[in-house]
Amino acid sequence: DSGVTQTPKHLITATGQRVTLRCSPRSGDLSVYWYQQSLDQGLQFLIQYYNGEERAKGNILERFSAQQFPDLHSELNLSSLELGDSALYFCASSQLAGGNSPGELFFGEGSRLTVL
Amino acid sequence: AQTVTQSQPEMSVQEAETVTLSCTYDTSESDYYLFWYKQPPSRQMILVIRQEAYKQQNATENRFSVNFQKAAKSFSLKISDSQLGDAAMYFCAYNRVKLVFGAGTILRVKS
Repeated sequence: DSGVTQTPKHLITATGQRVTLRCSPRSGDLSVYWYQQSLDQGLQFLIQYYNGEERAKGNILERFSAQQFPDLHSELNLSSLELGDSALYFCASSQLAGGNSPGELFFGEGSRLTVL
Repeated sequence: AQTVTQSQPEMSVQEAETVTLSCTYDTSESDYYLFWYKQPPSRQMILVIRQEAYKQQNATENRFSVNFQKAAKSFSLKISDSQLGDAAMYFCAYNRVKLVFGAGTILRVKS
């Protein structure tokens, strides 16, 4: 158990809909990262937050947005869903912001999104 | 931008034998971290081993060891005495500000 909690574990929805994925980081971790893993592909970095502020951005679509709340949990919002958005979405956390002392990331079990 | 390349889409090893997974990366930074993560069929991401770039000594974790060649920007993973439970997708990753993953290598273990 990594200590990172993601909900829901599975989600099935239709094209055009909007969903919210939730992540609770490990106790004490200030950084939250979101990754997308499509079928048979590697993990693509979407976005990182550190203590409530956006820290780094990857190839995140404009239809996607995220935020980190004062209690440090994070939500990834996916809107106007398309078939190609079907993927496993991972949240990870770490103590540090990265940069000067990047270290290990602890991954949740992922949220599997299926868009029909 | 940093990139991580795993040139072996798939590898096979006989149980109890040794296998080496390759990884190269591209960066202009001198201080960074490198990782190997394992993703079994459960899809959970499990850290196998980590290496700090400033350390010359290669990291070792039980049956897992790395060959870190900083000048060549190479970071290979050696698995000794392979076990059936080692069968998984293995990702090499580079971390400076954000964790960048390679495309992964599927490792199959034959009994």
